[in-house]
Amino acid sequence: DAMVIQNPRYQVTQFGKPVTLSCSQTLNHNVMYWYQQKSSQAPKLLFHYYDKDFNNEADTPDNFQSRRPNTSFCFLDIRSPGLGDAAMYLCATRDLGLAVNEQFFGPGTRLTVL
Amino acid sequence: AQTVTQSQPEMSVQEAETVTLSCTYDTSESDYYLFWYKQPPSRQMILVIRQEAYKQQNATENRFSVNFQKAAKSFSLKISDSQLGDAAMYFCAYRRAQGGSEKLVFGKGTKLTVNP
Repeated sequence: DAMVIQNPRYQVTQFGKPVTLSCSQTLNHNVMYWYQQKSSQAPKLLFHYYDKDFNNEADTPDNFQSRRPNTSFCFLDIRSPGLGDAAMYLCATRDLGLAVNEQFFGPGTRLTVL
Repeated sequence: AQTVTQSQPEMSVQEAETVTLSCTYDTSESDYYLFWYKQPPSRQMILVIRQEAYKQQNATENRFSVNFQKAAKSFSLKISDSQLGDAAMYFCAYRRAQGGSEKLVFGKGTKLTVNP
Protein backbone atom coordinates (compact mmCIF):
# COMPACT_ATOMS: atom_id res chain seq x y z
CA ASP A 1 0.00 0.00 0.00
CA ALA A 2 1.34 3.38 -0.98
CA MET A 3 2.02 5.53 2.07
CA VAL A 4 3.68 8.64 0.64
CA ILE A 5 2.47 9.46 -2.84
CA GLN A 6 3.98 12.02 -5.16
CA ASN A 7 2.38 13.29 -8.32
CA PRO A 8 3.39 13.52 -10.99
CA ARG A 9 6.41 11.22 -11.07
CA TYR A 10 7.87 13.20 -13.97
CA GLN A 11 7.22 16.87 -14.64
CA VAL A 12 8.47 18.96 -17.52
CA THR A 13 8.15 22.71 -17.38
CA GLN A 14 9.48 25.67 -19.25
CA PHE A 15 11.96 28.16 -17.93
CA GLY A 16 10.07 30.68 -15.83
CA LYS A 17 6.72 28.86 -15.94
CA PRO A 18 5.29 28.19 -12.46
CA VAL A 19 4.97 24.56 -11.48
CA THR A 20 3.41 22.74 -8.54
CA LEU A 21 4.43 19.35 -7.22
CA SER A 22 2.10 17.34 -5.02
CA CYS A 23 2.62 15.04 -2.07
CA SER A 24 0.00 13.12 -0.14
CA GLN A 25 0.24 10.64 2.69
CA THR A 26 -1.94 7.96 4.20
CA LEU A 27 0.09 7.73 7.41
CA ASN A 28 -1.48 10.68 9.22
CA HIS A 29 1.98 11.92 10.15
CA ASN A 30 2.28 15.40 11.60
CA VAL A 31 5.49 16.39 9.83
CA MET A 32 6.01 16.65 6.08
CA TYR A 33 9.32 17.50 4.43
CA TRP A 34 10.39 18.60 0.97
CA TYR A 35 13.89 17.76 -0.25
CA GLN A 36 15.70 18.67 -3.45
CA GLN A 37 18.09 16.04 -4.78
CA LYS A 38 20.31 16.84 -7.73
CA SER A 39 22.04 14.16 -9.72
CA SER A 40 24.49 12.08 -7.66
CA GLN A 41 24.05 14.30 -4.61
CA ALA A 42 22.51 13.91 -1.18
CA PRO A 43 18.98 15.17 -0.58
CA LYS A 44 18.89 18.78 0.57
CA LEU A 45 16.09 19.88 2.85
CA LEU A 46 14.12 22.84 1.51
CA PHE A 47 11.50 23.20 4.25
CA HIS A 48 9.10 21.26 6.38
CA TYR A 49 5.73 21.55 8.06
CA TYR A 50 5.11 20.50 11.63
CA ASP A 51 1.32 20.37 11.56
CA LYS A 52 0.54 23.82 10.16
CA ASP A 53 3.78 25.42 11.26
CA PHE A 54 6.05 26.14 8.30
CA ASN A 55 9.82 25.88 8.80
CA ASN A 56 12.01 27.20 6.04
CA GLU A 57 15.70 26.32 5.71
CA ALA A 58 17.89 29.40 5.74
CA ASP A 59 19.35 28.78 2.29
CA THR A 60 16.15 27.86 0.48
CA PRO A 61 15.58 30.35 -2.36
CA ASP A 62 12.47 32.53 -2.27
CA ASN A 63 11.50 30.94 -5.57
CA PHE A 64 10.38 27.88 -3.61
CA GLN A 65 7.13 28.00 -1.65
CA SER A 66 5.01 25.40 0.05
CA ARG A 67 1.44 24.89 1.15
CA ARG A 68 -0.12 22.34 3.47
CA PRO A 69 -3.91 22.68 3.33
CA ASN A 70 -4.51 19.65 5.56
CA THR A 71 -2.68 16.79 7.26
CA SER A 72 -2.65 14.61 4.16
CA PHE A 73 -1.44 16.98 1.48
CA CYS A 74 1.56 19.19 0.95
CA PHE A 75 2.51 21.12 -2.19
CA LEU A 76 5.77 22.50 -3.49
CA ASP A 77 5.42 25.58 -5.69
CA ILE A 78 8.28 26.80 -7.82
CA ARG A 79 7.34 30.28 -8.91
CA SER A 80 9.83 30.81 -11.73
CA PRO A 81 11.82 27.65 -12.41
CA GLY A 82 15.34 28.06 -13.66
CA LEU A 83 17.57 25.50 -15.31
CA GLY A 84 19.30 24.99 -11.99
CA ASP A 85 16.06 23.83 -10.40
CA ALA A 86 16.00 20.65 -12.48
CA ALA A 87 16.22 17.89 -9.89
CA MET A 88 14.41 15.11 -8.11
CA TYR A 89 12.06 16.46 -5.45
CA LEU A 90 11.42 14.15 -2.54
CA CYS A 91 8.60 14.36 -0.06
CA ALA A 92 8.93 12.67 3.32
CA THR A 93 6.76 12.33 6.40
CA ARG A 94 7.35 11.62 10.04
CA ASP A 95 5.26 11.16 13.18
CA LEU A 96 6.74 12.86 16.23
CA GLY A 97 4.54 10.75 18.47
CA LEU A 98 6.62 7.64 17.79
CA ALA A 99 9.74 6.73 19.73
CA VAL A 100 12.34 6.84 16.98
CA ASN A 101 10.10 8.30 14.29
CA GLU A 102 11.92 7.58 11.07
CA GLN A 103 11.14 9.50 7.92
CA PHE A 104 9.14 7.79 5.20
CA PHE A 105 9.94 8.92 1.68
CA GLY A 106 7.82 9.15 -1.42
CA PRO A 107 9.10 8.00 -4.82
CA GLY A 108 9.96 11.54 -5.88
CA THR A 109 9.07 13.81 -8.77
CA ARG A 110 11.75 14.36 -11.37
CA LEU A 111 11.53 17.91 -12.65
CA THR A 112 12.92 18.87 -16.03
CA VAL A 113 13.20 22.54 -16.97
CA LEU A 114 13.42 23.35 -20.67
CA ALA B 1 26.73 22.09 12.71
CA GLN B 2 26.56 18.38 12.28
CA THR B 3 28.20 16.82 9.24
CA VAL B 4 28.15 13.33 7.77
CA THR B 5 30.96 12.02 5.57
CA GLN B 6 30.88 9.03 3.28
CA SER B 7 34.36 8.65 1.88
CA GLN B 8 33.54 5.98 -0.72
CA PRO B 9 31.65 7.45 -3.70
CA GLU B 10 31.43 4.00 -5.28
CA MET B 11 31.84 0.42 -4.13
CA SER B 12 31.39 -2.92 -5.82
CA VAL B 13 30.90 -6.43 -4.49
CA GLN B 14 30.45 -9.88 -5.94
CA GLU B 15 27.11 -11.52 -5.41
CA ALA B 16 27.04 -13.54 -2.17
CA GLU B 17 30.08 -11.69 -0.80
CA THR B 18 30.23 -9.18 2.05
CA VAL B 19 30.79 -5.45 1.69
CA THR B 20 31.23 -2.66 4.21
CA LEU B 21 30.24 0.95 3.56
CA SER B 22 31.90 3.63 5.68
CA CYS B 23 30.37 6.64 7.37
CA THR B 24 31.76 9.13 9.84
CA TYR B 25 29.99 12.04 11.43
CA ASP B 26 30.74 15.05 13.52
CA THR B 27 28.56 16.26 16.36
CA SER B 28 28.82 17.72 19.82
CA GLU B 29 25.56 16.08 20.87
CA SER B 30 25.52 13.02 23.09
CA ASP B 31 22.12 11.74 22.09
CA TYR B 32 21.22 11.23 18.46
CA TYR B 33 20.12 8.73 15.85
CA LEU B 34 21.99 7.33 12.88
CA PHE B 35 20.41 5.82 9.80
CA TRP B 36 21.33 4.05 6.61
CA TYR B 37 18.95 4.67 3.71
CA LYS B 38 18.90 2.78 0.41
CA GLN B 39 17.86 4.49 -2.82
CA PRO B 40 17.59 2.08 -5.79
CA PRO B 41 17.67 3.59 -9.28
CA SER B 42 14.39 5.38 -10.01
CA ARG B 43 12.84 4.06 -6.82
CA GLN B 44 12.07 5.58 -3.48
CA MET B 45 14.41 5.88 -0.57
CA ILE B 46 13.83 3.31 2.13
CA LEU B 47 15.27 2.86 5.59
CA VAL B 48 17.73 -0.01 5.88
CA ILE B 49 18.75 0.22 9.50
CA ARG B 50 18.89 2.67 12.38
CA GLN B 51 20.94 3.03 15.54
CA GLU B 52 20.19 4.96 18.69
CA ALA B 53 23.37 6.54 20.06
CA TYR B 54 22.59 5.56 23.64
CA LYS B 55 22.55 1.88 22.71
CA GLN B 56 25.91 0.12 22.82
CA GLN B 57 24.68 -2.91 20.94
CA ASN B 58 25.06 -2.71 17.19
CA ALA B 59 21.82 -2.84 15.22
CA THR B 60 21.16 -5.73 12.85
CA GLU B 61 18.43 -6.32 10.29
CA ASN B 62 18.74 -9.67 8.57
CA ARG B 63 21.76 -9.38 6.22
CA PHE B 64 22.44 -5.79 7.26
CA SER B 65 24.40 -4.83 10.34
CA VAL B 66 26.25 -1.80 11.58
CA ASN B 67 29.47 -1.21 13.43
CA PHE B 68 28.77 1.78 15.63
CA GLN B 69 31.82 3.31 17.28
CA LYS B 70 30.55 6.28 19.26
CA ALA B 71 33.91 7.54 20.47
CA ALA B 72 35.31 7.42 16.95
CA LYS B 73 32.05 8.81 15.49
CA SER B 74 31.95 6.02 12.99
CA PHE B 75 28.90 4.17 11.68
CA SER B 76 29.66 1.60 8.99
CA LEU B 77 27.16 -0.66 7.26
CA LYS B 78 27.95 -4.29 6.53
CA ILE B 79 25.95 -6.15 3.92
CA SER B 80 26.37 -9.91 4.07
CA ASP B 81 25.53 -12.37 1.30
CA SER B 82 25.09 -9.51 -1.16
CA GLN B 83 22.25 -9.82 -3.65
CA LEU B 84 21.66 -8.18 -7.01
CA GLY B 85 18.77 -6.27 -5.44
CA ASP B 86 21.17 -4.59 -3.03
CA ALA B 87 22.53 -2.45 -5.86
CA ALA B 88 21.62 1.14 -5.01
CA MET B 89 22.83 4.43 -3.58
CA TYR B 90 23.30 4.17 0.15
CA PHE B 91 23.04 7.28 2.29
CA CYS B 92 24.19 7.59 5.85
CA ALA B 93 22.17 10.10 7.87
CA TYR B 94 22.24 11.73 11.29
CA ARG B 95 19.52 13.27 13.37
CA ARG B 96 19.60 14.93 16.75
CA ALA B 97 17.46 13.28 19.41
CA GLN B 98 16.10 16.56 20.73
CA GLY B 99 12.37 17.01 20.64
CA GLY B 100 10.84 18.58 17.63
CA SER B 101 10.93 18.06 13.91
CA GLU B 102 14.70 17.72 13.69
CA LYS B 103 15.98 17.27 10.17
CA LEU B 104 18.13 14.52 8.73
CA VAL B 105 21.68 15.40 7.76
CA PHE B 106 22.78 13.18 4.89
CA GLY B 107 26.16 12.11 3.63
CA LYS B 108 26.86 12.35 -0.09
CA GLY B 109 26.12 8.69 -0.64
CA THR B 110 27.90 5.56 -1.82
CA LYS B 111 26.88 3.88 -5.04
CA LEU B 112 26.97 0.12 -4.58
CA THR B 113 27.26 -2.18 -7.58
CA VAL B 114 26.66 -5.90 -7.16
CA ASN B 115 28.34 -8.07 -9.77
CA PRO B 116 26.80 -11.43 -10.68
